[in-house]
Amino acid sequence: GAGVSQSPSNKVTEKGKDVELRCDPISGHTALYWYRQSLGQGLEFLIYFQGNSAPDKSGLPSDRFSAERTGGSVSTLTIQRTQQEDSAVYLCASSSQGGYYGYTFGSGTRLTVV
Amino acid sequence: SQQGEEDPQALSIQEGENATMNCSYKTSINNLQWYRQNSGRGLVHLILIRSNEREKHSGRLRVTLDTSKKSSSLLITASRAADTASYFCATDRNNNDMRFGAGTRLTVKP
Repeated sequence: GAGVSQSPSNKVTEKGKDVELRCDPISGHTALYWYRQSLGQGLEFLIYFQGNSAPDKSGLPSDRFSAERTGGSVSTLTIQRTQQEDSAVYLCASSSQGGYYGYTFGSGTRLTVV
Repeated sequence: SQQGEEDPQALSIQEGENATMNCSYKTSINNLQWYRQNSGRGLVHLILIRSNEREKHSGRLRVTLDTSKKSSSLLITASRAADTASYFCATDRNNNDMRFGAGTRLTVKP
């Protein structure tokens, strides 16, 4: 597609439920990133995928968070047993050539845990 | 952990004035990028400056980089109400590891 697509755009879930957030990067972009942004805050790095290399998971806040990237394209971020503090906007970005020309962001998924 | 830190946290100016935002970082970098965010959703890439560059221009934007001080500045000249947004700097340490600061909230009053 022409841009990075994220779905759903909004998600309201009950505490304790699992959620899956999807990111469809720009075709051909080898790098894919997930960030989390709480209201009025900066971006918190979560996880980074580059080609077929092992992902950099150093930003995942707990073992309830996991992500995969199938076939080097679409990525899914899964949050198990959601907590209220997980409420945030989850942003995905992709890039080519290691981000040398900048990163393209999706519009994000606003997650609300009630 | 965060890498870049923007200063000030918030800036309010009149239309037509110039806006200057600063970014400091901690470790060596390959490049530094500035992004704009409207309405708390997706970020838009504005400009990238490489570690061996000192100044770069793009339209009304001027970015400087001082690697000895580990700092960068973004200047928006002749600001417009449409420039109202949050501005973030991001540092790329290994061409694959982008870290963002908390951003500067710019308000341009018409």
